[in-house]
Amino acid sequence: VQLQESGPGVVKSSETLSLTCTVSGGSISSYYWSWIRQPPGKGLEWIGYIYYSGGTDYNPSLKSRVTMSVDTSKNQFSLKLSSVTTADTGVYYCAREEPGYYYMDVWGKGTTVTVSS
Amino acid sequence: QSVLTQPPSASGTPRQRVTISCSGSSSNIGSNNVNWYQHLPGTAPKLLIYRNNQRPSGVRDRFSGSKSGTSASLAISGLQSEDEADYYCAAWDNSLHAWVFGGGTKLTVL
Repeated sequence: VQLQESGPGVVKSSETLSLTCTVSGGSISSYYWSWIRQPPGKGLEWIGYIYYSGGTDYNPSLKSRVTMSVDTSKNQFSLKLSSVTTADTGVYYCAREEPGYYYMDVWGKGTTVTVSS
Repeated sequence: QSVLTQPPSASGTPRQRVTISCSGSSSNIGSNNVNWYQHLPGTAPKLLIYRNNQRPSGVRDRFSGSKSGTSASLAISGLQSEDEADYYCAAWDNSLHAWVFGGGTKLTVL
């Protein structure tokens, strides 16, 4: 299984960041699909996950600005982060977690998003 | 400021054994399993250790993990140049209701 993030590399401040993760080599079904980000020079931050059936769980620190969706027909899931600021600049990763296993076993290579002021 | 605390750097010479620590609290490491990831910039993070001390298929037995109380450790024996990477610990936090990570440890093979 491979994951590939895609989306604009630059987003203007106050606008909405939109990213998509495409799952190849396997089915999107029966897994949790997470988004994780890493600001420059800082550690990893979990944004949230979406279950293949559409259920979601978001990091409370970002919950008010996050929306995730899934398209099983395309084997894709997406992230929208609204009202972005320069603090949202960083590398965004998608990852897979099997329910009940409590670890993310497959990650994408990440995509860099810069929020311009 | 990451929820889990790791040393920012570690180093060792080839064939040496190094350990990387990860400190948390009762709401994360103290209550849940710890996972470790190896990351080379520009590549996908790789699951190295799950459930404190389990290795995924394909991960060399030079890598081992342990947990005690609210702390965990990753040990790398027989250090090789290819082990130069960033290492992150992770655990679910019951209070924050989120996955939390360490700030990462950059391992240098001298």
